[in-house]
Amino acid sequence: DAGVIQSPRHEVTEMGQEVTLRCKPISGHDYLFWYRQTMMRGLELLIYFNNNVPIDDSGMPEDRFSAKMPNASFSTLKIQPSEPRDSAVYFCASSQGLHQPQHFGDGTRLSIL
Amino acid sequence: GENVEQHPSTLSVQEGDSAVIKCTYSDSASNYFPWYKQELGKGPQLIIDIRSNVGEKKDQRIAVTLNKTAKHFSLHITETQPEDSAVYFCAASKERIPTFGRGTSLIVHP
Repeated sequence: DAGVIQSPRHEVTEMGQEVTLRCKPISGHDYLFWYRQTMMRGLELLIYFNNNVPIDDSGMPEDRFSAKMPNASFSTLKIQPSEPRDSAVYFCASSQGLHQPQHFGDGTRLSIL
Repeated sequence: GENVEQHPSTLSVQEGDSAVIKCTYSDSASNYFPWYKQELGKGPQLIIDIRSNVGEKKDQRIAVTLNKTAKHFSLHITETQPEDSAVYFCAASKERIPTFGRGTSLIVHP
């Protein structure tokens, strides 16, 4: 299996620009998670989906952040407009159940100038 | 909600020594405890997990112990090797998404 695939691996953009991060979960996994990792705050859960439906978005920091999962094999995390404090590594993970091991992608390193 | 504390934040050992990372959790109903290893530039990867119906689990050089009464669990790595150098995360959950600890940076010196 190819594992969870995230793109791009690195993104550098200027403040105010729209940023879209992409994720392809492992086939057959019905849960998908978006995390943000920073030195200050560690690994934070932003939102998770079950069967393509958003279940808990309480970790999304602001209305500038939005996430979609149009089908079982694709999800996006969008930041509009982006700010320097959004700079972090963003991870996508998927699992076969809520109480099962999560499989993480290699992340997108986002830098907002 | 669940709160997971992880210690130490940094651990430096010599190759061949053992390493122990400890985590405590707050919700006594938590029953699933995974451990993840994150190498530089990679996402966290599951290395071992334990459920509350057992007290210890081993997989070659790594083992996890769980003390439900005290609400703590530990990761033990024996005969450490330089490739064990990474950040390790513990997590705890109760039929919901796991809450992660802040991570331990393990450095194994050759």
